Amino acid sequence: EAGVAQSPRYKIIEKRQSVAFWCNPISGHATLYWYQQILGQGPKLLIQFQNNGVVDDSQLPKDRFSAERLKGVDSTLKIQPAKLEDSAVYLCASSLPGTGSGRETQYFGPGTRLLVL
Amino acid sequence: AQSVTQPDIHITVSEGASLELRCNYSYGATPYLFWYVQSPGQGLQLLLKYFSGDTLVQGIKGFEAEFKRSQSSFNLRKPSVHWSDAAEYFCAVGPYNNNDMRFGAGTRLTVKP
Repeated sequence: EAGVAQSPRYKIIEKRQSVAFWCNPISGHATLYWYQQILGQGPKLLIQFQNNGVVDDSQLPKDRFSAERLKGVDSTLKIQPAKLEDSAVYLCASSLPGTGSGRETQYFGPGTRLLVL
Repeated sequence: AQSVTQPDIHITVSEGASLELRCNYSYGATPYLFWYVQSPGQGLQLLLKYFSGDTLVQGIKGFEAEFKRSQSSFNLRKPSVHWSDAAEYFCAVGPYNNNDMRFGAGTRLTVKP
């Protein structure tokens, strides 16, 4: 079974530029998550999708971050304009939809490491 | 308020020695608890999880964890560490909203030969 795919694996940009990350979840996983992992910290949820609808984006900095999952499969996370503090690893995860009880295992991709100069 | 605390930022153990990684949590109800491992350049892999029932949980790669409600802890253990266990370990608690969980800051494990 193929895992969660993410690209690119690494990205270096200058502040105020824009950047986009792509994620393809495990086939059949209706729930998709984007996490931000700053160096020395645990992952923090940015946004959660159920199919193509947003379930939770309460921790997404909406003035510069956006995400979409138009067809309910793959997803794109965008930052525009980027700031120095956005340097982090961006992890995508997916899970079966279940009942939203919290029991569904999340499967993580390898992440995209972003460096903003 | 922090939901998960991993008191040890970095731990070094000798290969073959036993291991215990600490995790303390704060949560308003009965928590779901998770341990994940992250190897360099890799995503997070679930080691084990606790929802209910037996408080001693067995996971993959020979790991186990014990839920202690009175101490609000969910410590991860392994009787004999292998060099391949060197990685970052994250404890997480949930659920929040829909299947969301909150992660601790992680403990980095170094294994000495």
